[in-house]
Amino acid sequence: AQTVTQSQPEMSVQEAETVTLSCTYDTSESDYYLFWYKQPPSRQMILVIRQEAYKQQNATENRFSVNFQKAAKSFSLKISDSQLGDAAMYFCAYLVEEGGSEKLVFGKGTKLTVNP
Amino acid sequence: ETGVTQSPTHLIKTRGQQVTLRCSSQSGHNTVSWYQQALGQGPQFIFQYYREEENGRGNFPPRFSGLQFPNYSSELNVNALELDDSALYLCASSVGLAGMSYEQDFGPGTRLTVT
Repeated sequence: AQTVTQSQPEMSVQEAETVTLSCTYDTSESDYYLFWYKQPPSRQMILVIRQEAYKQQNATENRFSVNFQKAAKSFSLKISDSQLGDAAMYFCAYLVEEGGSEKLVFGKGTKLTVNP
Repeated sequence: ETGVTQSPTHLIKTRGQQVTLRCSSQSGHNTVSWYQQALGQGPQFIFQYYREEENGRGNFPPRFSGLQFPNYSSELNVNALELDDSALYLCASSVGLAGMSYEQDFGPGTRLTVT
């Protein structure tokens, strides 16, 4: 079964501090793509960061970085120097090729609150 | 914001009715995927269109159907609406299939309420 598990329904962090959101997934593929999306109250799903499974180096995008552990099928997101604008739902997802299509399989999300 | 647009923003329908949701893909993108996001859940894949053909479908009944037009815009049609169809419907566009692009750009969604 293709599943993504986000074990933290809610997380909170103080402004300027660091927070890590957890994600585990299940796939039998050896090459795949992983993503973190942010969904603020405006509902727009915004790509935060992506990781190619064949790359050993962890992806980084400014204050956002991932800890990708392929053997453990773990893909956590670290947000450094948290800002009020980081408050949102965060979804972990991976891309699956199936029947000629590419589909994203999402977790249930983690709601991040940033306290001033 | 991405260049993907969706209309309408909100919609209220009655059980048993039919609805059409629309999506304009980002310039240069030829693939459109539709997702259903129920309240408190992650998005679920409905289907994908590539060059006007459906090329993949999730676990949704046939009353969910779609179209893609020559300009790569797309429609999602839902017949015989049920209360459980109430959700946020997200459209995402991308370039090509496997090996060409892996990023899907999402639109702002259409909130459908079925009463």
